[in-house]
Amino acid sequence: EIVMTQSPATLSVSPGERVTLSCRASQSIAHKVAWYQQRPGQGPRLLFYGAYNRASGVPGRFSGSESGTEFTLTISSLQSEDFATYYCHQYHTWPPHTFGQGTRLEIK
Amino acid sequence: QVQLQQSGPGLVKPSQTLSLTCAVSGDVSLSNGAAWIWIRQSPSRGLEWLGRAYYRSRWRYDYAGSVNSRITISPDTWRNQFSLHLSAVTPDDTAVYYCAREHLNSCAGDCHRASSYIDVWGTGTTVVVSS
Repeated sequence: EIVMTQSPATLSVSPGERVTLSCRASQSIAHKVAWYQQRPGQGPRLLFYGAYNRASGVPGRFSGSESGTEFTLTISSLQSEDFATYYCHQYHTWPPHTFGQGTRLEIK
Repeated sequence: QVQLQQSGPGLVKPSQTLSLTCAVSGDVSLSNGAAWIWIRQSPSRGLEWLGRAYYRSRWRYDYAGSVNSRITISPDTWRNQFSLHLSAVTPDDTAVYYCAREHLNSCAGDCHRASSYIDVWGTGTTVVVSS
């Protein structure tokens, strides 16, 4: 089973700041990573698939990238609605689908 | 725009069967190529994929090994909805349950070894297993 490790678990940031979230795969998964945003009390929302393909309706301040087994989600200028928990998900090797444990963005 | 609306009880007794339904709306057919899945989320396990159903000439199913002997996913094409049935539940099955759609459209035939990203999620149902 491929393990997805996200860091940090929690990030305290101020609105307007640039933030980078990391996700590392335990083995090569090519570009088959998706990122999701989950606000409290809601289901996750797809942000990116294929590591850097932005899903419909996702603002341009969000970007995704990859370097080997390291995947990154960047938010260039945090807005109030971006404070949420973010999950990465690998769909290269299954079963099973595996997810990271999440990074929670909180207001500093 | 595809939407998934979940329904079902929030409290289930130990040893009974947990049953949830997911109604699909937005001018999309269950047999259009996507896979219809169930995932649960708990503090101890995080996001855990449970199983999926998809149509390729006939309905096909894949289930997670951890629940394989207890799970059934049932598509209902007439009502455009699908259901989760998880039998012999214990308190360890307490979680938020999500229905979702996996973008499996590029896979033809038997997609048993194929997987893709999840592009639509339901709103979630909190299920507590307790007597």
